[in-house]
Amino acid sequence: GDSVTQMEGPVTLSEEAFLTINCTYTATGYPSLFWYVQYPGEGLQLLLKATKADDKGSNKGFEATYRKETTSFHLEKGSVQVSDSAVYFCALSPRSGGSNYKLTFGKGTLLTVNP
Amino acid sequence: SQTIHQWPATLVQPVGSPLSLECTVEGTSNPNLYWYRQAAGRGLQLLFYSVGIGQISSEVPQNLSASRPQDRQFILSSKKLLLSDSGFYLCAWGLGAQPQHFGDGTRLSIL
Repeated sequence: GDSVTQMEGPVTLSEEAFLTINCTYTATGYPSLFWYVQYPGEGLQLLLKATKADDKGSNKGFEATYRKETTSFHLEKGSVQVSDSAVYFCALSPRSGGSNYKLTFGKGTLLTVNP
Repeated sequence: SQTIHQWPATLVQPVGSPLSLECTVEGTSNPNLYWYRQAAGRGLQLLFYSVGIGQISSEVPQNLSASRPQDRQFILSSKKLLLSDSGFYLCAWGLGAQPQHFGDGTRLSIL
C-alpha cells in the first residue's frame, strides 16, 4: 500500500538557518504530494502541494519539488523564522478515481526555531 | 473567513458505550468533509469522507459510522465503542479532493 516516510524530529534550528525536512513516499502510479503544517494551538492546514513530477509547490517561503526518480518531496526554506515553529506533515494522495480523496500522512516532524 | 469547529476536545468513555462527535464548518458552501484518526505512534488515517449531504464514503471497515445531515455538519458515531477506538480524531474540510483545514481534534479514551 501507499506510505510516506518523513524524517523524525524534533528539529531545532536558529533563526535564519536553512531548513530541510526529508520526505519519501511509496505509491503506485503518480500520486499528488502535499505538505501540511500545524502551528501551536491551531488545526492542521495545507501548506503546499505538487500534482506531477518536477512540479514545485511553494508557499510562505517554503518549497518542495516532486522528484519521481527519487520518490521524494523534501520541504525546504532558506531562512526560517521563530514563527515557523510547528509540526510539519508530508502526505500523498492517489490520482485515480475515488481514491484521490484519500490522504496518506507521514508521522510529522516537530520544528522548533530559536531566536 | 472559513472556520471549523469540532467537539468535544476530550472524551473518556467506557467500552460498549455509544459515541457521537460533531464537526461544523462555517464560511463556505458544499465543502468536502473528512474524519481522520491518529492512533498513538501512527500517522493520520482517513476514516470517512463526504462530498455532499447524505453522501458518505468509508475508507476503513470498523464499528464507526459517519453522517452528514446538513451541508456543513459532519458527525462521527458508534453504537458500541471498543478499546481499539481510542485515539485522536480530526475533522477536516476542503473544496478540492484533499482537505485544506483541520479542526482541533478530539482526544478519545476508552476505558
